[in-house]
Amino acid sequence: KAGVTQTPRYLIKTRGQQVTLSCSPISGHRSVSWYQQTPGQGLQFLFEYFSETQRNKGNFPGRFSGRQFSNSRSEMNVSTLELGDSALYLCASSLTRAEAAQYFGPGTRLLVL
Amino acid sequence: AQRVTQPEKLLSVFKGAPVELKCNYSYSGSPELFWYVQYSRQRLQLLLRHISRESIKGFTADLNKGETSFHLKKPFAQEEDSAMYYCALRMNTGFQKLVFGTGTRLLVSP
Repeated sequence: KAGVTQTPRYLIKTRGQQVTLSCSPISGHRSVSWYQQTPGQGLQFLFEYFSETQRNKGNFPGRFSGRQFSNSRSEMNVSTLELGDSALYLCASSLTRAEAAQYFGPGTRLLVL
Repeated sequence: AQRVTQPEKLLSVFKGAPVELKCNYSYSGSPELFWYVQYSRQRLQLLLRHISRESIKGFTADLNKGETSFHLKKPFAQEEDSAMYYCALRMNTGFQKLVFGTGTRLLVSP
């Protein structure tokens, strides 16, 4: 069974640009959650998606948005990038909302210059 | 607000020594607690959860509600246990948001 996949793996952008990251959960998993990992703040919850609906959002500005498609794949978008958005973005999938995130992807490392 | 504290950034032990990675939390309700592990150049993965009361790779963790702690223990450390360990809290079942601690790097020397 293929694991959680994230694309792209690495990304370099400049301030003011926007970026879209993709996450494909394990087949059959319907819950996808996103986390931002930085050296200063550690792992912070961004969003949770289930059945194409955002169920919960972390304490991030509106520049951070996301969506989930009918095949459970999820995308997150960051608009008007700032230097502080440089981070590793992780997504995780689980079969249901009842299960805590069990399987994480390798992450997308975003560098904003 | 919910908070998870892992007081040690680095814990260095010798092979065969006991290990205890500390985790304390603050939450007024009844949380679920988890330990996640990230080995070098590998993905973050769930190690164990307090609800299961299981032992994984020789590790155990007991939820102490009185002391609001969920320390991870192993009686005899192995070199392959060297990794980054994160304690995490979930406020209730069906609520995917995890609050993570800052992590403790465990280094097991031969």
